Amino acid sequence: TQLLEQSPQFLSIQEGENLTVYCNSSSVFSSLQWYRQEPGEGPVLLVTVVTGGEVKKLKRLTFQFGDARKDSSLHITAAQPGDTGLYLCAGVSADRGSTLGRLYFGRGTQLTVWP
Amino acid sequence: DADVTQTPRNRITKTGKRIMLECSQTKGHDRMYWYRQDPGLGLRLIYYSFDVKDINKGEISDGYSVSRQAQAKFSLSLESAIPNQTALYFCATSSHTEAFFGQGTRLTVV
Repeated sequence: TQLLEQSPQFLSIQEGENLTVYCNSSSVFSSLQWYRQEPGEGPVLLVTVVTGGEVKKLKRLTFQFGDARKDSSLHITAAQPGDTGLYLCAGVSADRGSTLGRLYFGRGTQLTVWP
Repeated sequence: DADVTQTPRNRITKTGKRIMLECSQTKGHDRMYWYRQDPGLGLRLIYYSFDVKDINKGEISDGYSVSRQAQAKFSLSLESAIPNQTALYFCATSSHTEAFFGQGTRLTVV
């Protein structure tokens, strides 16, 4: 089982459309991060959210952390072909126990934006 | 210079061979990780270390071992490589809020 469930797994849209990617869990995280990965490269951090309910904007990208710190979303407005890539959410576990502090990843959303 | 450096970048090895993947980081963070990435499965945690004396198994540690030689160095070994260990391997280091990744090692076991 995956601690972080990310959806959808694949997303293929036309340039100019809006989209939302979701990252859900039954566990609580002390912080949640979104990464973007290009083929053959390591993931690169886009944003970190640490406070329940927090919203961060990065140009056309809007990131939200759920109030209970168990879920997050990434919304892209007016997608462009340059947004194409694998988007990964990751969370640092806040569960008291053996998993405290571990960094977990979702399976990723492969986004393709067509011109 | 890269914050996290992995060597080698590509490796083809035969079934049953022992192989070591090396990782070094210049971020000064205590936390280091090894992940494996397969198509459709995202990044799965193999081992992680929160300091030099701390080593922990991740989700898929069977068939792998690690060594934390120093704060900046964390190596992953496959004692007897098998074909289903063919994958892209990433090393990472993190603070509490951000992880930095190496460029990956593409390992093929034939």
